Amino acid sequence: QVTLKESGPGMLQPSKTLSLTCSFSGFSLSTSGMVVSWIRQPSGKSLEWLAAIDWDGDKYYNPSLKSRLTVSKDTSNTQVFLKITSVDIADTATYYCARILTIAAISFAYWGQGTLVTVSS
Amino acid sequence: DIQMTQSPASLSASLGETVSIECLASEGISNSLAWYQQKPGKSPQLLIYGASSLQDGVPSRFSGSGSGTQYSLKISGMQPEDEGVYYCQQGYKYPYTFGAGTKLELK
Repeated sequence: QVTLKESGPGMLQPSKTLSLTCSFSGFSLSTSGMVVSWIRQPSGKSLEWLAAIDWDGDKYYNPSLKSRLTVSKDTSNTQVFLKITSVDIADTATYYCARILTIAAISFAYWGQGTLVTVSS
Repeated sequence: DIQMTQSPASLSASLGETVSIECLASEGISNSLAWYQQKPGKSPQLLIYGASSLQDGVPSRFSGSGSGTQYSLKISGMQPEDEGVYYCQQGYKYPYTFGAGTKLELK
Protein backbone atom coordinates (compact mmCIF):
# COMPACT_ATOMS: atom_id res chain seq x y z
CA GLN A 1 0.00 0.00 0.00
CA VAL A 2 1.44 3.34 -1.08
CA THR A 3 1.16 6.17 1.42
CA LEU A 4 2.72 9.63 1.56
CA LYS A 5 2.66 12.20 4.34
CA GLU A 6 3.89 15.77 4.33
CA SER A 7 5.24 17.66 7.31
CA GLY A 8 6.16 21.29 7.67
CA PRO A 9 6.36 24.23 10.07
CA GLY A 10 2.71 25.30 9.85
CA MET A 11 3.55 28.98 9.98
CA LEU A 12 6.62 31.04 9.18
CA GLN A 13 7.57 34.64 8.63
CA PRO A 14 8.17 36.37 5.32
CA SER A 15 11.73 36.13 3.94
CA LYS A 16 12.40 32.86 5.78
CA THR A 17 13.15 29.50 4.23
CA LEU A 18 10.37 26.93 4.14
CA SER A 19 11.42 23.31 4.68
CA LEU A 20 9.02 20.50 3.89
CA THR A 21 9.37 16.74 4.26
CA CYS A 22 7.49 14.01 2.43
CA SER A 23 7.71 10.63 4.12
CA PHE A 24 6.43 7.70 2.15
CA SER A 25 6.03 3.94 2.24
CA GLY A 26 4.93 1.20 -0.09
CA PHE A 27 7.58 1.97 -2.69
CA SER A 28 11.23 2.95 -2.94
CA LEU A 29 12.37 6.01 -4.83
CA SER A 30 15.35 3.97 -5.99
CA THR A 31 13.04 1.82 -8.14
CA SER A 32 13.23 2.66 -11.83
CA GLY A 33 10.32 4.83 -12.95
CA MET A 34 9.48 6.28 -9.57
CA VAL A 35 9.00 10.02 -9.39
CA VAL A 36 7.78 12.15 -6.48
CA SER A 37 6.51 15.67 -7.04
CA TRP A 38 5.60 18.63 -4.87
CA ILE A 39 2.35 20.42 -5.69
CA ARG A 40 0.71 23.31 -3.85
CA GLN A 41 -2.75 24.78 -3.66
CA PRO A 42 -3.68 28.15 -2.18
CA SER A 43 -7.04 28.10 -0.44
CA GLY A 44 -9.87 28.13 -2.97
CA LYS A 45 -7.52 28.04 -5.95
CA SER A 46 -6.13 25.53 -8.40
CA LEU A 47 -3.07 23.33 -8.16
CA GLU A 48 0.47 24.36 -9.03
CA TRP A 49 3.20 21.83 -9.74
CA LEU A 50 6.46 22.91 -8.09
CA ALA A 51 9.18 20.31 -8.44
CA ALA A 52 9.96 16.64 -8.90
CA ILE A 53 12.77 14.19 -8.21
CA ASP A 54 13.10 10.82 -9.87
CA TRP A 55 14.64 7.45 -9.11
CA ASP A 56 17.91 8.50 -10.71
CA GLY A 57 18.17 11.64 -8.60
CA ASP A 58 17.30 13.92 -11.51
CA LYS A 59 15.47 17.05 -10.45
CA TYR A 60 12.88 19.15 -12.24
CA TYR A 61 11.57 22.57 -11.27
CA ASN A 62 8.81 24.95 -12.21
CA PRO A 63 10.67 27.78 -13.98
CA SER A 64 8.42 30.36 -12.30
CA LEU A 65 9.92 29.43 -8.93
CA LYS A 66 13.11 27.64 -9.88
CA SER A 67 15.54 30.08 -8.29
CA ARG A 68 13.85 29.56 -4.91
CA LEU A 69 13.32 25.80 -4.94
CA THR A 70 15.51 22.89 -3.96
CA VAL A 71 14.24 19.31 -4.03
CA SER A 72 16.23 16.42 -2.60
CA LYS A 73 15.83 12.92 -1.24
CA ASP A 74 17.37 10.93 1.57
CA THR A 75 19.78 8.05 1.07
CA SER A 76 17.22 5.48 2.19
CA ASN A 77 14.88 6.64 -0.60
CA THR A 78 11.92 6.93 1.75
CA GLN A 79 11.82 10.71 2.12
CA VAL A 80 11.80 13.67 -0.22
CA PHE A 81 12.43 17.24 0.84
CA LEU A 82 11.56 20.65 -0.56
CA LYS A 83 13.07 23.97 0.41
CA ILE A 84 11.62 27.29 -0.68
CA THR A 85 13.72 30.35 0.07
CA SER A 86 12.55 33.91 0.68
CA VAL A 87 8.90 33.06 1.25
CA ASP A 88 6.20 35.69 1.13
CA ILE A 89 2.45 35.80 1.67
CA ALA A 90 1.85 34.41 -1.81
CA ASP A 91 3.48 31.14 -0.72
CA THR A 92 0.64 30.50 1.73
CA ALA A 93 -0.92 27.24 0.57
CA THR A 94 -1.49 23.57 1.25
CA TYR A 95 1.57 21.68 0.05
CA TYR A 96 1.20 18.14 -1.25
CA CYS A 97 3.67 15.51 -2.25
CA ALA A 98 2.47 13.03 -4.83
CA ARG A 99 3.80 10.01 -6.70
CA ILE A 100 3.14 9.44 -10.36
CA LEU A 101 1.25 6.39 -11.54
CA THR A 102 3.97 5.25 -13.95
CA ILE A 103 6.60 6.95 -16.08
CA ALA A 104 4.42 6.16 -19.10
CA ALA A 105 1.42 7.97 -17.64
CA ILE A 106 2.38 11.20 -15.95
CA SER A 107 -0.52 11.50 -13.57
CA PHE A 108 -0.51 11.70 -9.81
CA ALA A 109 -2.06 8.53 -8.47
CA TYR A 110 -0.92 8.81 -4.88
CA TRP A 111 -1.17 11.95 -2.76
CA GLY A 112 -0.33 12.87 0.78
CA GLN A 113 -2.92 14.53 2.98
CA GLY A 114 -1.24 17.91 2.50
CA THR A 115 0.32 20.28 4.98
CA LEU A 116 -0.93 23.85 5.36
CA VAL A 117 1.75 26.49 5.37
CA THR A 118 0.87 30.04 6.36
CA VAL A 119 3.32 32.87 5.74
CA SER A 120 2.62 35.73 8.07
CA SER A 121 4.49 38.30 10.10
CA ASP B 1 4.36 26.54 -20.20
CA ILE B 2 1.35 24.64 -21.56
CA GLN B 3 -1.86 26.40 -20.55
CA MET B 4 -4.86 24.23 -19.65
CA THR B 5 -8.23 25.93 -20.12
CA GLN B 6 -11.16 24.21 -18.46
CA SER B 7 -14.85 24.82 -19.06
CA PRO B 8 -17.29 25.42 -17.61
CA ALA B 9 -16.04 26.94 -14.36
CA SER B 10 -19.09 25.57 -12.59
CA LEU B 11 -22.17 23.53 -13.32
CA SER B 12 -25.13 22.05 -11.60
CA ALA B 13 -26.54 18.66 -12.55
CA SER B 14 -29.58 16.63 -11.55
CA LEU B 15 -29.38 13.09 -10.22
CA GLY B 16 -28.75 10.71 -13.11
CA GLU B 17 -27.89 13.47 -15.57
CA THR B 18 -24.90 13.09 -17.88
CA VAL B 19 -22.24 15.76 -17.36
CA SER B 20 -19.30 16.81 -19.53
CA ILE B 21 -16.29 18.93 -18.64
CA GLU B 22 -13.88 20.18 -21.29
CA CYS B 23 -10.16 20.88 -21.18
CA LEU B 24 -8.23 22.68 -23.91
CA ALA B 25 -4.44 22.59 -24.00
CA SER B 26 -2.48 25.47 -25.55
CA GLU B 27 -0.51 22.95 -27.61
CA GLY B 28 -0.74 19.25 -28.43
CA ILE B 29 -0.14 16.97 -25.45
CA SER B 30 -0.37 13.53 -27.07
CA ASN B 31 -3.05 12.21 -24.72
CA SER B 32 -0.88 12.89 -21.66
CA LEU B 33 -3.92 14.16 -19.81
CA ALA B 34 -5.29 13.29 -16.39
CA TRP B 35 -8.50 14.16 -14.56
CA TYR B 36 -8.88 14.55 -10.81
CA GLN B 37 -11.75 14.99 -8.39
CA GLN B 38 -11.25 16.98 -5.22
CA LYS B 39 -13.67 17.22 -2.32
CA PRO B 40 -13.48 19.93 0.35
CA GLY B 41 -10.55 19.46 2.70
CA LYS B 42 -9.29 16.42 0.80
CA SER B 43 -6.43 15.67 -1.57
CA PRO B 44 -7.20 15.32 -5.27
CA GLN B 45 -8.11 11.82 -6.44
CA LEU B 46 -7.00 10.52 -9.83
CA LEU B 47 -9.93 9.50 -12.02
CA ILE B 48 -8.56 9.21 -15.55
CA TYR B 49 -5.01 9.00 -16.93
CA GLY B 50 -3.68 8.86 -20.45
CA ALA B 51 -6.81 10.78 -21.51
CA SER B 52 -9.09 7.73 -21.40
CA SER B 53 -7.82 5.09 -18.96
CA LEU B 54 -9.88 4.61 -15.83
CA GLN B 55 -7.88 4.52 -12.62
CA ASP B 56 -8.39 1.44 -10.46
CA GLY B 57 -11.38 1.72 -8.15
CA VAL B 58 -13.02 4.61 -10.01
CA PRO B 59 -16.67 3.99 -10.99
CA SER B 60 -17.26 3.18 -14.64
CA ARG B 61 -19.65 6.12 -15.03
CA PHE B 62 -16.52 8.25 -15.38
CA SER B 63 -14.93 8.30 -18.81
CA GLY B 64 -12.38 10.41 -20.66
CA SER B 65 -11.82 11.13 -24.30
CA GLY B 66 -10.03 13.48 -26.64
CA SER B 67 -6.84 13.95 -28.58
CA GLY B 68 -4.42 16.65 -29.64
CA THR B 69 -5.40 19.74 -27.68
CA GLN B 70 -9.03 18.94 -26.77
CA TYR B 71 -10.10 16.57 -24.01
CA SER B 72 -13.23 15.89 -22.04
CA LEU B 73 -14.44 14.11 -18.93
CA LYS B 74 -17.93 12.59 -18.92
CA ILE B 75 -19.95 11.45 -15.96
CA SER B 76 -22.76 9.20 -17.15
CA GLY B 77 -25.39 9.50 -14.47
CA MET B 78 -24.63 12.10 -11.81
CA GLN B 79 -24.55 10.75 -8.25
CA PRO B 80 -24.52 12.75 -4.99
CA GLU B 81 -20.97 11.62 -4.26
CA ASP B 82 -19.78 13.16 -7.55
CA GLU B 83 -20.05 16.67 -6.14
CA GLY B 84 -16.67 18.34 -5.97
CA VAL B 85 -14.11 20.22 -8.03
CA TYR B 86 -12.63 18.57 -11.11
CA TYR B 87 -9.20 19.40 -12.52
CA CYS B 88 -7.41 18.41 -15.70
CA GLN B 89 -3.61 18.15 -15.79
CA GLN B 90 -1.12 17.73 -18.60
CA GLY B 91 1.86 15.42 -18.11
CA TYR B 92 3.38 15.94 -21.55
CA LYS B 93 5.97 18.54 -20.71
CA TYR B 94 7.54 20.14 -17.66
CA PRO B 95 6.29 22.16 -15.89
CA TYR B 96 3.19 20.02 -15.48
CA THR B 97 0.15 22.26 -15.39
CA PHE B 98 -3.43 22.04 -14.17
CA GLY B 99 -6.67 23.60 -15.30
CA ALA B 100 -8.46 26.14 -13.12
CA GLY B 101 -11.07 23.63 -12.05
CA THR B 102 -14.77 22.95 -12.57
CA LYS B 103 -17.07 22.98 -9.58
CA LEU B 104 -19.81 20.39 -9.93
CA GLU B 105 -22.89 20.51 -7.74
CA LEU B 106 -26.02 18.42 -7.47
CA LYS B 107 -29.12 20.32 -8.46
